[in-house]
Amino acid sequence: ELKVEQNPLFLSMQEGKNYTIYCNYSTTSDRLYWYRQDPGKSLESLFVLLSNGAVKQEGRLMASLDTKARLSTLHITAAVHDLSATYFCAVSMEYGNKLVFGAGTILRVKS
Amino acid sequence: DAGVIQSPRHEVTEMGQEVTLRCKPISGHNSLFWYRQTMMRGLELLIYFNNNVPIDDSGMPEDRFSAKMPNASFSTLKIQPSEPRDSAVYFCASSTPRYSGNTIYFGEGSWLTVV
Repeated sequence: ELKVEQNPLFLSMQEGKNYTIYCNYSTTSDRLYWYRQDPGKSLESLFVLLSNGAVKQEGRLMASLDTKARLSTLHITAAVHDLSATYFCAVSMEYGNKLVFGAGTILRVKS
Repeated sequence: DAGVIQSPRHEVTEMGQEVTLRCKPISGHNSLFWYRQTMMRGLELLIYFNNNVPIDDSGMPEDRFSAKMPNASFSTLKIQPSEPRDSAVYFCASSTPRYSGNTIYFGEGSWLTVV
């Protein structure tokens, strides 16, 4: 059974600081997703990582994937208040479209 | 593009009543998913369809839950009879085929409260 673990589950940051969210998964997979969710809202797709060594960047967020280590990271650079949200990683089973989500990381950026 | 459309957005119902949630996927997407989100259990996949056919319904909690996809543009999730523990946000999502490097898009969710 595929398990996805995120850490930390809660992250309080000062504006301007850098930090990394980690996502570990338990079985072989060839793709990993990062989503953002604001309170009371839907999930917004941030990144889809399709291969080992994949790195994608959008603004202050950068995601990477190491399939051998079964690890993805979401790096936040110079955090701003607008980044406050819950961030989920999700892993797709190698065969099929089934997504298993991590528990989510609640990010709060303080002024 | 209108995105994944769900209805109703909010529903409050009494225990024992039937609840039907509806979803219209993005045109051209061939996979459709139903997820449930609660504080205690996070995001759980209930069922997913490929080309209107249910592929994996192992996440459907019990026989009170059923899902259908009669055509490529419509799906329903039904709970009968509903119970207070079914209170959650139910998300529908759709995607293009896996081989196309698919992104999975979520609807706005249906917020269900069973009293």
